[in-house]
Amino acid sequence: EPEVTQTPSHQVTQMGQEVILRCVPISNHLYFYWYRQILGQKVEFLVSFYNNEISEKSEIFDDQFSVERPDGSNFTLKIRSTKLEDSAMYFCASNGGPGLAGGPLRNEQFFGPGTRLTVL
Amino acid sequence: AQTVTQSQPEMSVQEAETVTLSCTYDTSENNYYLFWYKQPPSRQMILVIRQEAYKQQNATENRFSVNFQKAAKSFSLKISDSQLGDTAMYFCAFMNMEYGNKLVFGAGTILRVKS
Repeated sequence: EPEVTQTPSHQVTQMGQEVILRCVPISNHLYFYWYRQILGQKVEFLVSFYNNEISEKSEIFDDQFSVERPDGSNFTLKIRSTKLEDSAMYFCASNGGPGLAGGPLRNEQFFGPGTRLTVL
Repeated sequence: AQTVTQSQPEMSVQEAETVTLSCTYDTSENNYYLFWYKQPPSRQMILVIRQEAYKQQNATENRFSVNFQKAAKSFSLKISDSQLGDTAMYFCAFMNMEYGNKLVFGAGTILRVKS
């Protein structure tokens, strides 16, 4: 069964450094997302991406964050200058869109296993 | 903006018993989806069950079923014949019925199944 993959599983970085979190969505999916979960807290939406542009972003997703789909396969989240409070689990998700497996009623987001980001 | 509330931070249940997790939500939309996700200690997000708001029939998936009360904006999850592997954090989530929309999660309920 197709799945969303994420690399690395755990990233440790120093405050102020840039990090890039990578995701490979399910191959025929059209909609891509990043979510964040600070330890012990709920999962929060960061950004959605469709047709090579951001569809929606939350107030968390400030100028330090950016997303890219550089090669039609990977979907990346970049944090330019990490802060201590960026330490969290970052989940990538993808959604097939209408007409794909299961038809328009599916509209299900498939999640990757997450990348744990630790900022020291 | 939509909000999702899970009022039970933690629940415990004996193996083989039944437990119900509560969820309420607030929205002005008429068409939407509701989901329950399971997050075991591995922290992988696993879809447990989904409900389309236009369907009156409550969704069921094996031992998992929901009680969807649209007028009351309530969406509870019932787990029957609880198993040790059901021990996890459970998140209720809301999504507008359009492609590309985000999931809005509740704060989660930690469920512990005891032997």
